[in-house]
Amino acid sequence: DAGVIQSPRHEVTEMGQEVTLRCKPISGHDYLFWYRQTMMRGLELLIYFNNNVPIDDSGMPEDRFSAKMPNASFSTLKIQPSEPRDSAVYFCASSTWGRGYSGANVLTFGAGSRLTVL
Amino acid sequence: SQQGEEDPQALSIQEGENATMNCSYKTSINNLQWYRQNSGRGLVHLILIRSNEREKHSGRLRVTLDTSKKSSSLLITASRAADTASYFCASGSNYQLIWGAGTKLIIKP
Repeated sequence: DAGVIQSPRHEVTEMGQEVTLRCKPISGHDYLFWYRQTMMRGLELLIYFNNNVPIDDSGMPEDRFSAKMPNASFSTLKIQPSEPRDSAVYFCASSTWGRGYSGANVLTFGAGSRLTVL
Repeated sequence: SQQGEEDPQALSIQEGENATMNCSYKTSINNLQWYRQNSGRGLVHLILIRSNEREKHSGRLRVTLDTSKKSSSLLITASRAADTASYFCASGSNYQLIWGAGTKLIIKP
C-alpha cells in the first residue's frame, strides 16, 4: 500500500484565492481525518469522516473552510477565500477502528500539504 | 483537540544516551499512543499502551502509563542520530485522539 497520499505537497497562493487540498486514504480505512499543524497552535483536528460521512466538523475554523468525501478513496479540504493566517501544514490521516488494535484508533498520516498564503 | 501536555518541550542529548519524554492528559482514556514526526514529514505511529497496562516495550522503546496520575512516559534507549525528531503523545477514548504539544528531540553525534 502506498499509504495516505496528499497533494499538493506545497502550495503558495495569494490572499483571496481558493485553495483545494486533496487526500487519498489507505484502502479499507473507514475513518479520515483532516488536521492542521502550526508552531503556535500545534496539531488541530479540523474535521473527520466515518464511512464518507462527516461526523465532527467543530474544528473547522470558519465558513471559509469546507471538506468533502465523495467516496471512500478521496477527500478534499477547500479554503475559499484564503487568508495569510491559514498558512500551515495540513495533514490527512486515515484509520480503521480496531483493526490490529482492538478498541483503539491508530492513525496513518500523509506527508502533509504545506500551504503559504501571501 | 490539543489538550495534552508534554515535557520537556525540547531535549538535546548525546548519541548513545537514553531519552525520556513525559506526557500528561486530562480525561479518562482507553489507550495512549506515541507518534514520531521527522522534519517535514507526517506523523508515524510508534507504540500504543492500553489503559489496563502499566508498561510496554517495542525494540528500544519503553512506554509507561500511570492512569492515577494521568501521565505517560516514553523512553528511547541507546539513542541514535536517526531518532532526531519530534515526539507526540495522543490520549485516546473511543475514536477521538487528544494530542500533546510534542517534544523535540535532538541527538548529537
